Order: sequence, then C-alpha cells, then structure tokens
Amino acid sequence: SQQGEEDPQALSIQEGENATMNCSYKTSINNLQWYRQNSGRGLVHLILIRSNEREKHSGRLRVTLDTSKKSSSLLITASRAADTASYFCATVTYNDYKLSFGAGTTVTVRA
Amino acid sequence: NAGVTQTPKFRVLKTGQSMTLLCAQDMNHEYMYWYRQDPGMGLRLIHYSVGEGTTAKGEVPDGYNVSRLKKQNFLLGLESAAPSQTSVYFCASSRDSDIQYFGAGTRLSVL
Repeated sequence: SQQGEEDPQALSIQEGENATMNCSYKTSINNLQWYRQNSGRGLVHLILIRSNEREKHSGRLRVTLDTSKKSSSLLITASRAADTASYFCATVTYNDYKLSFGAGTTVTVRA
Repeated sequence: NAGVTQTPKFRVLKTGQSMTLLCAQDMNHEYMYWYRQDPGMGLRLIHYSVGEGTTAKGEVPDGYNVSRLKKQNFLLGLESAAPSQTSVYFCASSRDSDIQYFGAGTRLSVL
C-alpha cells in the first residue's frame, strides 16, 4: 500500500504565485523525498529531508517536515511556467531503502 | 553520462505475448528498481535488486519476473502479457536509501 498521500490532487496558479502542496504518511520514516515528473517523462529528484530535520531549502523550493503529525509540505516560490508538472512525495522507512510514493499533486502554472 | 536508460520506449503487445524490458545504469549503483505507474496513481514497486545476482518482490510482483545478471543491468520480463499490465514502466537505481535516479519510462499497451 502507498505510504504517502498528497494534497491537493491538483493545483492551478498564476505565474509568480507560490504553490504549496502537502504530504501525509502513516509510519515512522528515515527520510522523505520530493520528486517532479514532467508530462511523459521520468521522475527527477528535487529534495530530501531526513527525520531529524524540520526544514530544508533548495533554490525556490522549501520543504518542511513535522514528524509528530507525520506530514511534510513543499513550497515552490515565484512559480514559473516550467514548474508545471506532477509532484510526488516518497518516504523511506528505517532499515529500508525502498521508496513508497504518494499519488502526486498536479501543478499547472498559468502564464 | 547516460544515467538510467530504458529500452524500448514504446511497445504494443497482444494478450499472451511475452517481452523483456531492459534497464541499464552507468552510475555503479548497487540498488535497482522496477515500478509501474497507472493513471492518477503514484509509482508502485514491482521488483527490486540490492546487488548483482539478487532480486526481491515489491508491492505488485505478480505476472512479472526479473533478473540482475550484471550490476549495470536489470531486466523485467512479462511471460504472458495481460491487458491489466498496460502501464508505464519506470526503472530506477540508487547508491543507498537516498536519491533514486529514474529512466524515461516504457509505455506498454497490451491488447
């Protein structure tokens, strides 16, 4: 069964706005990762946050992790048309190396 | 660097036919994975390998077999294709439990 669940399923924003999506998971994790998938392409790793970290930044991306609530959020600031894609969270549990993916959030950035 | 290369990119099969999907990685990664992605869903793990000569079942292994005879290659086989196996298949590799690198995918239709 899938560990993570993203919310919302779809998001449409204007270029320049911020996009926020959330991920909830069920069991304790070693790390949580976010991936992007452009239409018809493979997944590309965006950012990894470990269970002992609360926030991480990478360029226009900001990820938070709340292990007490078993949830994470991905914020994309100042969105661009090129950010149009599906975003997936994936978790890795302790003593494991397999990713468990959520169903993803589809983000559309309007020009 | 090619990264992770999947062949073929597209394939159409008739029910009952067999085929093999090839995944090759040039990053000397120990771990390799096969996933399937169906509309509106995240990736589901079919089989994985933790090193040359090893394979293990993932979340949805039925109807598939795999082999890892060489460290750089991971083959996914369908012995008797069924319409339920129509999907997009992704291969990935990783050094450890952190980042996975994905191929571009194989679109398979079973008629």
